[in-house]
Formats: sequence, C-alpha cells, structure tokens
Amino acid sequence: DIVMTQTPSSQAVSAGEKVTMSCKSSQSLLYNENKKNYLAWYQQKPGQSPKLLIYWASTRESGVPDRFIGSGSGTDFTLTISSVQAEDLAVYYCQQYYNFPLTFGSGTKLEIK
Amino acid sequence: QVTLKESGPGILQPSQTLSLTCTFSGFSLSTYGMGVGWIRQPSGKGLEWLANIWWDDDKYYNPSLKNRLTISKDTSNNQAFLKITNVDTADTATYYCARIEGGSPPDYWGQGVMVTVSS
Repeated sequence: DIVMTQTPSSQAVSAGEKVTMSCKSSQSLLYNENKKNYLAWYQQKPGQSPKLLIYWASTRESGVPDRFIGSGSGTDFTLTISSVQAEDLAVYYCQQYYNFPLTFGSGTKLEIK
Repeated sequence: QVTLKESGPGILQPSQTLSLTCTFSGFSLSTYGMGVGWIRQPSGKGLEWLANIWWDDDKYYNPSLKNRLTISKDTSNNQAFLKITNVDTADTATYYCARIEGGSPPDYWGQGVMVTVSS
C-alpha cells in the first residue's frame, strides 16, 4: 500500500492569513504516460462527509474557491489556502488514487484563532 | 444532480454480519467506467478505503479486510451493498459510500451512516 504522510497534524491561524500543509507519499504518484499526479485533497468539516477540493494535485473541483491551491509532483505535495476564512475550519486529507487500495493521509486539522 | 445515501443497522453485536446499502441517483452503475466505493472512519480518526465495485462487476477489496468483505450491486435499482462478516468493536465507525470513475478520485460522497458494534 502507498503510505501518505501529512504534516502538521494541526495548525491554528487567524482569518486572512496564509496556511500551507504538506503531504508526502511513499512512492511517486506521477504516472509517466500522461504526466499526471494521482493526488487529491479533501476537506471535511465537523459532522460532514469529505468534500473533494483538488484532484490531479492542482486542479480545483468546480465551485471550489480559488484561495485553495494545490501544488507538487512525484512524492511531495502542498495545499495552500491563500487567505483563510472562518468557514475553512476543517480537517484536510490528501489521498492517492494511483493504485488500490486508495489511501489517505492522517489529516491536518485547521483551527481558526 | 448526484446524490448517495447510506443505510445500515445502527447497532449490532460482535460476531454478527454488518449489511450496508448505498442508494444513489444522478448516475448509473451500468455506465462504462463508473464505480461505487465504501470507506469508513472511526470517530475522530482517519479514512480507510474498504472496497469498490465497477460497472462491469469487477470488484476490489482492501487486503487488510478482504476475507470479511463482500461488495455487490443492483444496477436496476441504483444500489450498492457491502457486507462485513464477524464484526467486532474495531468495526465501529461511520461508513460512507462514494462515486468513483476510473482513474479519478471519489468525487461525490454520501452523508455517512454510523455503525456501533457493542455487546
């Protein structure tokens, strides 16, 4: 199985600040035939199911605000929220869909000061 | 509009079989490339992919639970099912179903159903 490691486990920021969180995979998620990284980011707000934010490491799902920015390639990925809003309070998970079983990171909990 | 909704027993005893149903709309499991997956999340913990079934009835099971899982579908009624045999307290979790298309991440998720295993 591909192991996904997220850091930090939690982070507290003030509204308007920029936040970055990291996700590392135990093997490359870059598929050479199409040059795509099989990495997604999800947002899970308290009491809700996960919501797909970003796929192919950097493509925002329809309707996702442009303050959410995914980057990285291979084994190292980053989710940046350029200006955190109060409604961004959530746990953020990365997930690889390069192969099965699909695996998730342990999550980064974002708290708003 | 794609929606999914899970249903289950709520509570069951150790050693029993857990039966879950995912009822969906807005897509068909007879469409090429379409699939439904099951994921679970113990309270306050992370996400674990359990199994998925494809439009052509191909199935994938997480090796960590493979011997206990059975996934199936009823295409005409837009439902997918998951059975977990011989449950114990470690199977207490919220269970989600999600739509998945080949080569893409799960995009639409159900609201989840909480299952408690307790004697």
